[in-house]
Amino acid sequence: QQQVKQSPQSLIVQKGGIPIINCAYENTAFDYFPWYQQFPGKGPALLIAIRPDVSEKKEGRFTISFNKSAKQFSLHIMDSQPGDSATYFCAASDSNSGYALNFGKGTSLLVTP
Amino acid sequence: ETGVTQSPTHLIKTRGQQVTLRCSSQSGHNTVSWYQQALGQGPQFIFQYYREEENGRGNFPPRFSGLQFPNYSSELNVNALELDDSALYLCASSASSTQNGETQYFGPGTRLLVL
Repeated sequence: QQQVKQSPQSLIVQKGGIPIINCAYENTAFDYFPWYQQFPGKGPALLIAIRPDVSEKKEGRFTISFNKSAKQFSLHIMDSQPGDSATYFCAASDSNSGYALNFGKGTSLLVTP
Repeated sequence: ETGVTQSPTHLIKTRGQQVTLRCSSQSGHNTVSWYQQALGQGPQFIFQYYREEENGRGNFPPRFSGLQFPNYSSELNVNALELDDSALYLCASSASSTQNGETQYFGPGTRLLVL
């Protein structure tokens, strides 16, 4: 059972565009929502994370928007660059489970020059 | 500060064999989690170790087992390998005793191919 649903599966944007990746969850016990970036042949690297007590968090060109009532959160990449081409995963976890991560299926992003 | 390291990087086994994968956690981290990532999928939680004890387990059969050592490094053992066990196995470490204990840092993974 997929506890975190992620869309779209793939995304193509031009350089400078703002790709948006969406995730939804059902378990209201989740209290930590990270995003990871993964390049081929590499392990996932933490990009940015948010807790449900805030509605938005920005770090550099990456922004998370969080809607607690809708149980949805999204990643926005500002001024996207070809080097941002990678697979992005959203995840959710909670303290009761030792923060074991429940991942979405991933979004393959291609930023064209 | 040393990041999470894993060995070996690649491994080929045949069905029915046993395999041991190793992970060294990031300096200062006392919690290790293991994940299985099938091709084109998100990582799936296998189990977590904290202070040498299993601290949670995902939906994986008992032939997946693990260990954590006093220096917080860890092993993942898989017995009776099946073709579907072919995947990237990821280790992640975290510092459960700190305010940001929920943050997990991943190693580069071990690519296992079962023939």
